[in-house]
Amino acid sequence: GAVVSQHPSRVICKSGTSVKIECRSLDFQATTMFWYRQFPKKSLMLMATSNEGSKATYEQGVEKDKFLINHASLTLSTLTVTSAHPEDSSFYICSAQNPGINTEAFFGQGTRLTVV
Amino acid sequence: AQSVTQPDIHITVSEGASLELRCNYSYGATPYLFWYVQSPGQGLQLLLKYFSGDTLVQGIKGFEAEFKRSQSSFNLRKPSVHWSDAAEYFCAVGPTYNTDKLIFGTGTRLQVFP
Repeated sequence: GAVVSQHPSRVICKSGTSVKIECRSLDFQATTMFWYRQFPKKSLMLMATSNEGSKATYEQGVEKDKFLINHASLTLSTLTVTSAHPEDSSFYICSAQNPGINTEAFFGQGTRLTVV
Repeated sequence: AQSVTQPDIHITVSEGASLELRCNYSYGATPYLFWYVQSPGQGLQLLLKYFSGDTLVQGIKGFEAEFKRSQSSFNLRKPSVHWSDAAEYFCAVGPTYNTDKLIFGTGTRLQVFP
């Protein structure tokens, strides 16, 4: 399958700072990327869907000013957690898809964010 | 509300033993069902998916899953587990055959003993 690389795999930051997580499709053009979050002992939940060159569509309950998503190119989407707080500590995972080519979205390996 | 339940958080089996991972879903429309596996440090990999037709679905790595509408279940099975199968397994449901907007279960961690 196609390769999606997510970076960093782990990050620790201080409360009040911002953290950027990158999601790259390495061998295909991802017109659509998805960002998920997993709370401890909870399901992975979709946060937002981003289409290249347009604004992300956020799921209900997700603060778009808190979780900034940029999908500026066909191979890169970024999630920035702004003014992070300990409750933002979580596992974040992205997936990338080109719906015109494949019905399958390919996942990155995830990022473990810890806010101290 | 749409949801996916994986009742078993952690399962341990011996290598060569059979395996069944449970998944139950609650979904208002026709469900599209998926099983993913995540090895440590790796992304989620699609094992198999179901959207219609034969209720027994074959996937990669020798896995299969059976859709039972009456039980709202989509259990994953493998007749003989290999040590390399140790990983986290996620069941998911979605609105279409595309693997987007998925609702995931909490995952089941599989440990395999030699």
